[in-house]
Amino acid sequence: AQSVTQLDSHVSVSEGTPVLLRCNYSSSYSPSLFWYVQHPNKGLQLLLKYTSAATLVKGINGFEAEFKKSETSFHLTKPSAHMSDAAEYFCVVTSIYNQGGKLIFGQGTELSVKP
Amino acid sequence: GAVVSQHPSRVICKSGTSVKIECRSLDFQATTMFWYRQFPKQSLMLMATSNEGSKATYEQGVEKDKFLINHASLTLSTLTVTSAHPEDSSFYICSARPSANTGELFFGEGSRLTVL
Repeated sequence: AQSVTQLDSHVSVSEGTPVLLRCNYSSSYSPSLFWYVQHPNKGLQLLLKYTSAATLVKGINGFEAEFKKSETSFHLTKPSAHMSDAAEYFCVVTSIYNQGGKLIFGQGTELSVKP
Repeated sequence: GAVVSQHPSRVICKSGTSVKIECRSLDFQATTMFWYRQFPKQSLMLMATSNEGSKATYEQGVEKDKFLINHASLTLSTLTVTSAHPEDSSFYICSARPSANTGELFFGEGSRLTVL
């Protein structure tokens, strides 16, 4: 079975300060992990993905995430928040060995960025 | 990057009517497409998996006669909400997996359905 838990439903940071969005996963299979961002009334955009290559993954817009198998975590970070980063973020786990690669979504973390 | 187009982006309809939402992969072929429903401030809920040339696989609790899915080609899947009621009002999002299957899904921009 697979599951994913986003530890914070809402994170608020000031512009220019670091961002940390936490994600823990559970998987009986070798997982692929993704972070997606969703702006209001929009679809989802892929920020980055981990697929068993390098454990530190760099994505778009300055985001990165580190896959830590021992901690079953895949936290998303960014050194300096911009106002445009305010959005909903989803951590997602999947495996081609689990139900044909069905995506399992976390509950989402809403990121607010204060001026 | 790969583009998935969803149409219409917004639709308002009267109770009892049917509404069709299209999901197209514009620059790749997608053997598999997925339909999600999203309530306000909530995560995405998988409704069904759409496979080209075969019947869709519905998740538990999703009425297949209510939400008709047709995946007629490698670039198009449609979701028809039949006899819509106000409780069907929601944000519907499709995603497509390239036939090459890198594991990644590409998402449409979503369709906001409001049933009066």
